[in-house]
Amino acid sequence: DAGVTQSPTHLIKTRGQHVTLRCSPISGHKSVSWYQQVLGQGPQFIFQYYEKEERGRGNFPDRFSARQFPNYSSELNVNALLLGDSALYLCASSLPTGNYGYTFGSGTRLTVV
Amino acid sequence: DAKTTQPPSMDCAEGRAANLPCNHSTISGNEYVYWYRQIHSQGPQYIIHGLKNNETNEMASLIITEDRKSSTLILPHATLRDTAVYYCIVGKEYGNKLVFGAGTILRVKS
Repeated sequence: DAGVTQSPTHLIKTRGQHVTLRCSPISGHKSVSWYQQVLGQGPQFIFQYYEKEERGRGNFPDRFSARQFPNYSSELNVNALLLGDSALYLCASSLPTGNYGYTFGSGTRLTVV
Repeated sequence: DAKTTQPPSMDCAEGRAANLPCNHSTISGNEYVYWYRQIHSQGPQYIIHGLKNNETNEMASLIITEDRKSSTLILPHATLRDTAVYYCIVGKEYGNKLVFGAGTILRVKS
């Protein structure tokens, strides 16, 4: 089975630009979460979606938004990029029931210059 | 969410057991202890979780003290591939966000 897939794996953007990151969860997983990991720190929670509805939001500005599609894939959008948005963006998916933990993708490395 | 405290780094000899401690003195009765690890440049990997009882799976064992204020993750026979950052996380059951701390850098040496 394919794991959680994220695209692109790397990208470079200029300050002020917009970026869209994509995530495909494991088949059967209906919950998708997004995390930001700045170099040297643990991942920080951004959003969680379940059945296309937002279930949780972390302490991030409104420049960050996300959505989940009927096939449970998800997009994370960041507007007006700042240098501080440079990070590894991780997507995690999980089963709708039970307590089996989250499966993370390998992430998208975003560099803002 | 309860906060966790972990040592910043630990070393372990290859083939020996690695014991990673975690303090979570403010854990509430319905919060689980989760362990994840992150190998360089990869996403975190779920290892194990528990509520009260000790747990074991193919990767590791989790020992939770009776008062639930601390726990230990045990990798029974550490290999070089176990070198990673290990995160101890406390949270309610399924569906809630994970609150990562700084974790413990485990270095397995030959």
